[in-house]
Amino acid sequence: AAGVIQSPRHLIKEKRETATLKCYPIPRHDTVYWYQQGPGQDPQFLISFYEKMQSDKGSIPDRFSAQQFSDYHSELNMSSLELGDSALYFCASSAARQADVYFGPGTRLTVT
Amino acid sequence: DAKTTQPTSMDCAEGRAANLPCNHSTISGNEYVYWYRQIHSQGPQYIIHGLKNNETNEMASLIITEDRKSSTLILPHATLRDTAVYYCIVRGTSGSRLTFGEGTQLTVNP
Repeated sequence: AAGVIQSPRHLIKEKRETATLKCYPIPRHDTVYWYQQGPGQDPQFLISFYEKMQSDKGSIPDRFSAQQFSDYHSELNMSSLELGDSALYFCASSAARQADVYFGPGTRLTVT
Repeated sequence: DAKTTQPTSMDCAEGRAANLPCNHSTISGNEYVYWYRQIHSQGPQYIIHGLKNNETNEMASLIITEDRKSSTLILPHATLRDTAVYYCIVRGTSGSRLTFGEGTQLTVNP
């Protein structure tokens, strides 16, 4: 079965640079969630989208922005990167009216 | 969403049942109990969810007490590949966020 696809899987950036993470949800899923997991931490919710509109917002820094496109894929844009942004970033997707949420393999971002 | 409490760690022998408890005493009537697991640095994996009835799928069984204040995830025949952090999450409506707390590190020993 098709799963959530994230790209790139690994990304190395320097401080103050920008990064764009992409997420391709499972086909026919219309809701996308973004999570950040720092070293030794539990996943923290950042933001979610339903039908291309922001549906919920968590602890997402102002330097980050995200959107969901007409084909339901989503991008997380991160600017002015800081060392503390080094983390795993997970995207998850679900279908409206269905409870299951499925996570992608994650993007490991390293800021040097 | 209601807060959950889980033991920090548990051990289980390979081939035996693993019973992972979760307390969610402040759960409200329309909130579901979800279980996910995360094998080191991989994406969290959906296991099972339920509202008030016991549920079973190919991975596990979920037992929810009648008052819904606690639940138990049962892996009937644990294998070494079941070693992971297991998260019990209470969630409201479909589409709402999943809030991860401090899960249980399950170690399955040979």
